[in-house]
Amino acid sequence: KQEVTQIPAALSVPEGENLVLNCSFTDSAIYNLQWFRQDPGKGLTSLLLIQSSQREQTSGRLNASLDKSSGRSTLYIAASQPGDSATYLCAVAGGGADGLTFGKGTHLIIQP
Amino acid sequence: GAVVSQHPSRVICKSGTSVKIECRSLDFQATTMFWYRQFPKQSLMLMATSNEGSKATYEQGVEKDKFLINHASLTLSTLTVTSAHPEDSSFYICSARDGGPETQYFGPGTRLLVL
Repeated sequence: KQEVTQIPAALSVPEGENLVLNCSFTDSAIYNLQWFRQDPGKGLTSLLLIQSSQREQTSGRLNASLDKSSGRSTLYIAASQPGDSATYLCAVAGGGADGLTFGKGTHLIIQP
Repeated sequence: GAVVSQHPSRVICKSGTSVKIECRSLDFQATTMFWYRQFPKQSLMLMATSNEGSKATYEQGVEKDKFLINHASLTLSTLTVTSAHPEDSSFYICSARDGGPETQYFGPGTRLLVL
């Protein structure tokens, strides 16, 4: 059974810092990996999706990498801003017909 | 972009009542919809996979008679929590896929509180 772990569980940093959020998964036979953002009491916003054949994806200040063989992904946030404060979730898809397996998330606070 | 809506966004009910949550794909046809549940400070857990016109597939540990799923059309899936109890209080989120294997589009979620 796939398990997804996110480290750290919580992170608080001053504005402007570059951050790395970590995600690991136990079964490397994934179809894709996605990073989401969740604001308190809200649904999910998809940030980046990396196919299993890809190594990384970039969108603005966000860069996600994938090392499928080692079961790891990182989300890099450059020049963090208070508006980046949210919970960041990592999720993997095991196959085309499958639902996603989520980690517990990293609760991020960017201090003004 | 693809939009998925959920209704209601929040519901409070008494223990023993049944609650229906709707998930709609607004601008695409969803061949597959998924239902997730999220308890406070926990990750989203897949409850069931719903394919239009067929019975839902439930994850281990999810009672199919308690969580009734109906995917009656390509744009609507419903989750009915039957005889709800306080331990069913949670955040329920649906997602929909348009046939391509890549992306699931998530709804805004429904917060259920059972008193």
